[in-house]
Amino acid sequence: DSGVTQTPKHLITATGQRVTLRCSPRSGDLSVYWYQQSLDQGLQFLIQYYNGEERAKGNILERFSAQQFPDLHSELNLSSLELGDSALYFCASSVDIGQGNGYTFGSGTRLTVV
Amino acid sequence: AQSVTQPDIHITVSEGASLELRCNYSYGATPYLFWYVQSPGQGLQLLLKYFSGDTLVQGIKGFEAEFKRSQSSFNLRKPSVHWSDAAEYFCAVSGSQGNLIFGKGTKLSVKP
Repeated sequence: DSGVTQTPKHLITATGQRVTLRCSPRSGDLSVYWYQQSLDQGLQFLIQYYNGEERAKGNILERFSAQQFPDLHSELNLSSLELGDSALYFCASSVDIGQGNGYTFGSGTRLTVV
Repeated sequence: AQSVTQPDIHITVSEGASLELRCNYSYGATPYLFWYVQSPGQGLQLLLKYFSGDTLVQGIKGFEAEFKRSQSSFNLRKPSVHWSDAAEYFCAVSGSQGNLIFGKGTKLSVKP
């Protein structure tokens, strides 16, 4: 157990729907990162939050949004889902936002859009 | 822009043989470099990291990596591979925003 908890582990939904993925970071970690892993794109950085504030954005679609709550857990919201959004979504956490900090990853949420 | 290249998509080695997984990076400043391993259905686990100092870095599970600035490389090595090492390995560099930029990964298969 890495200490980063992601729920649900698996999610199957239809095109056009909206889903919410949840992440609880490791105790003491203030930074949360979201990544999408697909066969063709590999691991793509989506977005980062630090202590409740958005700090960096990567290749995140406008249909996707995220937030980090006061208790530091984070949610990734995916809307108007398309078949191509099927992927593994990982959350990772670290103590701070400085360069050189390795992340602790959760076990991921596998999203299947049908 | 920062980038990471892992030239080998899939490598097969025999159990007990040595292993080297290649990683090349593109980064303007002194890079922070990482190797992660992902077992099927699992998240990524940090094997080792390089910040500065000794260019040979030791990690968990008997892995080591060597930073070579002149070659922009950070290759992962293990002297003797075990069947349990079969997994996918990702090299990463810390980007300017503090996020990690990953290579496409190298899948390692181990023959008995």
